[in-house]
Amino acid sequence: NAGVTQTPKFQVLKTGQSMTLQCAQDMNHEYMSWYRQDPGMGLRLIHYSVGAGITDQGEVPNGYNVSRSTTEDFPLRLLSAAPSQTSVYFCASRYTYLSTEAFFGQGTRLTVV
Amino acid sequence: KQEVTQIPAALSVPEGENLVLNCSFTDSAIYNLQWFRQDPGKGLTSLLLIQSSQREQTSGRLNASLDKSSGRSTLYIAASQPGDSATYLCAPQETSGSRLTFGEGTQLTVNP
Repeated sequence: NAGVTQTPKFQVLKTGQSMTLQCAQDMNHEYMSWYRQDPGMGLRLIHYSVGAGITDQGEVPNGYNVSRSTTEDFPLRLLSAAPSQTSVYFCASRYTYLSTEAFFGQGTRLTVV
Repeated sequence: KQEVTQIPAALSVPEGENLVLNCSFTDSAIYNLQWFRQDPGKGLTSLLLIQSSQREQTSGRLNASLDKSSGRSTLYIAASQPGDSATYLCAPQETSGSRLTFGEGTQLTVNP
């Protein structure tokens, strides 16, 4: 049982490039979400999904797109990378959007130069 | 908007001590509160989940309490060990949506 798997673990992008951060879970969780973690600001919610085909914005959605075509996968797309998007990105999942335990991936450390 | 504060920001103790980490939150309308640990360069590992109807939850040497009305939770670690060194994060889940709101954490160092 792999839990929540994120790829890649590290990535360096040039300003203006695009890329997709992958997230997959094998626990049949309905709810998936993306956070970014920055020093002094804690973890902030970017986007979330309550099930396949349903996504919504979190606290800091600008510059990011998501889609949820399957229960298992929830990719995060950076459309045109900016240095302000340098951060550590975490994907999380839980069984439903209600009161259940959240599980996190190991993170993707992204640097935009 | 929910705001979460964790005190202290950093704590250094000798091995074997019992210790308490504090978490306060501004909006008491929560489904639950979850405690995590984060090791350097790693993801978050769930430690305990307390439902809003519960007062406390225990797992091994860890005990978490929740006082929803006063907006407080504490994580008690008994007989601390060097392997407990990590950053501890608390995150209440709001009833008005599905998000978890995180504090900045308490960085714990347990010295042998």
